[in-house]
Amino acid sequence: GESVGLHLPTLSVQEGDNSIINCAYSNSASDYFIWYKQESGKGPQFIIDIRSNMDKRQGQRVTVLLNKTVKHLSLQIAATQPGDSAVYFCAEQDTDKLIFGTGTRLQVFP
Amino acid sequence: NAGVTQTPKFQVLKTGQSMTLQCAQDMNHNSMYWYRQDPGMGLRLIYYSASEGTTDKGEVPNGYNVSRLNKREFSLRLESAAPSQTSVYFCASSETRTVSGYTFGSGTRLTVV
Repeated sequence: GESVGLHLPTLSVQEGDNSIINCAYSNSASDYFIWYKQESGKGPQFIIDIRSNMDKRQGQRVTVLLNKTVKHLSLQIAATQPGDSAVYFCAEQDTDKLIFGTGTRLQVFP
Repeated sequence: NAGVTQTPKFQVLKTGQSMTLQCAQDMNHNSMYWYRQDPGMGLRLIYYSASEGTTDKGEVPNGYNVSRLNKREFSLRLESAAPSQTSVYFCASSETRTVSGYTFGSGTRLTVV
């Protein structure tokens, strides 16, 4: 079975509800942030990104909010579906590489 | 349309054995990366190669070596495996060093006994 993701913070939501996953980043000079989704047994997949000159960006059913004052990033998923169940990671750019957060497990129940 | 391909998918090693994890990308990306993923610790950067011919240490390089064989391939070598290197290893690539999002491989699950 999948051992990655044990001991992660977990968010449980009912199907159809909205989900909000939060992330605190460390470097106030970071100017690029990304959210990734990782399903069991797979590599992380790009969801949405945002640059530091923006505070909000929307995709299909997903919105990323950036609060540079408190170094906080959030991912909002509208009308959460069973297929959204996964571990979600935020990442911040550090010169020429990304630094990842520890992740949040999203569980969707019917 | 393979993206990033990692081999092998699974491997069991005895302590002290050596092995090389292979990674290849077909997107003509300049930068490539090796991460390890452990329970509750997210993805930690081992080594990266910002461009062909260059490699740099990441957050957890000890016990590993890398080779950027050409633009497509970036290998990770464990010279003398230790149980602490039991992990899931991910290779990734990106177009430029300024980063526009990584493409990840599907991972190699390594167990060292």
